[in-house]
Amino acid sequence: ELKVEQNPLFLSMQEGKNYTIYCNYSTTSDRLYWYRQDPGKSLESLFVLLSNGAVKQEGRLMASLDTKARLSTLHITAAVHDLSATYFCAVIPQGGSEKLVFGKGMKLTVNP
Amino acid sequence: ETGVTQSPTHLIKTRGQQVTLRCSSQSGHNTVSWYQQALGQGPQFIFQYYREEENGRGNFPPRFSGLQFPNYSSELNVNALELDDSALYLCASSLAGYKNIQYFGAGTRLSVL
Repeated sequence: ELKVEQNPLFLSMQEGKNYTIYCNYSTTSDRLYWYRQDPGKSLESLFVLLSNGAVKQEGRLMASLDTKARLSTLHITAAVHDLSATYFCAVIPQGGSEKLVFGKGMKLTVNP
Repeated sequence: ETGVTQSPTHLIKTRGQQVTLRCSSQSGHNTVSWYQQALGQGPQFIFQYYREEENGRGNFPPRFSGLQFPNYSSELNVNALELDDSALYLCASSLAGYKNIQYFGAGTRLSVL
């Protein structure tokens, strides 16, 4: 059974700082998704990574995928308060149904 | 806005009752997935419908059932509600294919007392 682990689960950082968060998964997949969730809100799609070595960037966030290591990273550059949210990675396992298997999420707080 | 709408937004039920949640997918999407998100957790897959047929099911008991209609809207039904069913229920629509980006609605917050 596919398991998705995120590290860390909680992060408090200062504005202007950089940080990388990690998403590991346990079985073969080449489709990984990052979502953002604000408190009391639904999930917003951030990135779709569909091949080994894929890198996507949007604003201060950059995501990458290493399918051999079963690892995705989400790098935050010069954090701002508006990035405060919970970030989920999710994986679609190979074979079977097209279900998303989510990690527990990483709650990010960016302090002024 | 994702174009995925869910109703109702909030619901309070008592143990043993039955509930129906509704979802309208984004225009052009033919696949609907349902997820349960407990407080402080990631969403858990309940099931998925593709062109009105169930296309995969997670580890949820049979009292969780669903439907997809010809216009690709969908319902989630839960019978014999239990306290642990209290959660945010999320519907996601997508266009079947390799990319399969799932776009989520705002969710229905279900409280079982």
